[in-house]
Amino acid sequence: EIVLTQSPGSLSLSPGERATLSCRASQSVSSSYLAWYQQKPGQAPRLLIYGASSRATGIPDRFSGSGSGTDFTLTITRLEPEDFAVYYCQQYGSSPWTFGQGTKVEIK
Amino acid sequence: QVQLQESGPGLVKPSETLSLTCTVSGYSISSDYYWGWIRQPPGKGLEWIGSIYHSGSTYYNPSLKSRVTISVDTSKNQFSLKLNSLTAADAAVYYCARGKSGSYHTPFDYWGQGTLVTVSS
Repeated sequence: EIVLTQSPGSLSLSPGERATLSCRASQSVSSSYLAWYQQKPGQAPRLLIYGASSRATGIPDRFSGSGSGTDFTLTITRLEPEDFAVYYCQQYGSSPWTFGQGTKVEIK
Repeated sequence: QVQLQESGPGLVKPSETLSLTCTVSGYSISSDYYWGWIRQPPGKGLEWIGSIYHSGSTYYNPSLKSRVTISVDTSKNQFSLKLNSLTAADAAVYYCARGKSGSYHTPFDYWGQGTLVTVSS
């Protein structure tokens, strides 16, 4: 099973700042089958990025994903008030599909 | 617009079987795509339980495989989850979701709102 480790566990930033979130896999994620989700309290996760760098439908371009192999990054260039949430990475290249433990982006 | 809605009991006794149904609207389950179940214990992260293809092929998380059954009812446009021998560790919000594509390797792009399941006698 591929273990995904996200860092940092939490991030305290102000609106307008840049957020950089990391997801490291215990083994290579095949074909960059790596996704990022945003989850707000009481809501289901929302798909942001798939294939490591492709934005899902309707996702603003301030969200971008990069990386390959075992190291992946989600970048939010200018934080908007609605971006403060928990972010999860997920690999779907090797069964079982697994998720990282999450990074909480908090308002400073 | 694709919508998914979970339904089932919110309280299940230890050792009993959890049965949840996901009703899909805005898309015919029999047409394509993978359909999955994911759970999230309160305050914790996400765990993939398993997925089913529109044809009925199933794929389960090995950690739960011995206790899980996922099935599809195309006539009702629903798919279901059964998880037996419940313990307190199975208490979670259970989500149903749709795979983004008809490929086996797909993330989930449409999710239900989730249903909280408590395990207690």
